[in-house]
Amino acid sequence: GAVVSQHPSWVICKSGTSVKIECRSLDFQATTMFWYRQFPKQSLMLMATSNEGSKATYEQGVEKDKFLINHASLTLSTLTVTSAHPEDSSFYICSARDWQNMYNEQFFGPGTRLTVL
Amino acid sequence: GENVEQHPSTLSVQEGDSAVIKCTYSDSASNYFPWYKQELGKRPQLIIDIRSNVGEKKDQRIAVTLNKTAKHFSLHITETQPEDSAVYFCAAVSVNDYKLSFGAGTTVTVRA
Repeated sequence: GAVVSQHPSWVICKSGTSVKIECRSLDFQATTMFWYRQFPKQSLMLMATSNEGSKATYEQGVEKDKFLINHASLTLSTLTVTSAHPEDSSFYICSARDWQNMYNEQFFGPGTRLTVL
Repeated sequence: GENVEQHPSTLSVQEGDSAVIKCTYSDSASNYFPWYKQELGKRPQLIIDIRSNVGEKKDQRIAVTLNKTAKHFSLHITETQPEDSAVYFCAAVSVNDYKLSFGAGTTVTVRA
C-alpha cells in the first residue's frame, strides 16, 4: 500500500513554456501533499505544502506565481512551472501524507526530471 | 523553522565495517525522525524511522538512536555491503506542520 505516482517521469521543454507535473496517491487519500526540488548532489528542499481544497503554502523564497499548485482532490496535486527557464531544471519530487495514518510518514513519488533548454 | 544538520558529508568504509551518520535538529516540536536512502535519479526510500517516545530502534543491520535532550539522532549500519553505497538523508518532522526537514545528505561508499 501507500503508493504515490508522478507524471511525467521526465520532461524537456523550451525556455518560456509551462510544464505541469502530476502527483497521485494511488491507494490512499492525501489531504496534504508536499512538493520538493532537488538539484544535483544536494538535498531535497521543500517548495510548498499542498492542501486539498485550499491554497498551497509556499516556503520562503519560492515564487507562488511561478510554481502554481492545485490540489483539487484527495488523490491528486499538480505543480505547474510557468515560464520555465534553464535555472528551473531540477528533479521535482512530491510526497503525500495519509490522513488516516496517525504517524507522520510521507510517501514519495518517483520524481520528475525537468530540463529546460 | 526546523534546521537539521548532518555529518559527515561523505563516508567511505571497507566492506564489513560499520558506518555511522549523525544528525542534529533544532525544533523541540519535532517528533518523528526518518532516515532515507537515495540512489541516483530515484526517490528517497525510507529505511528506518524513530519516534520521539523511543530511544533506539533496530532492523537487521540498521539501527537508529535518538537523544531528545541533546536533539541528536544517529544511523548505524553494521556489516556494510557494496549495495549499501548510496546517499543517506536524515530528516525531522514537526508535530506542528508535518513538514519534513532534510539534512544535507551523506554519500556512503562501501569498498569491496
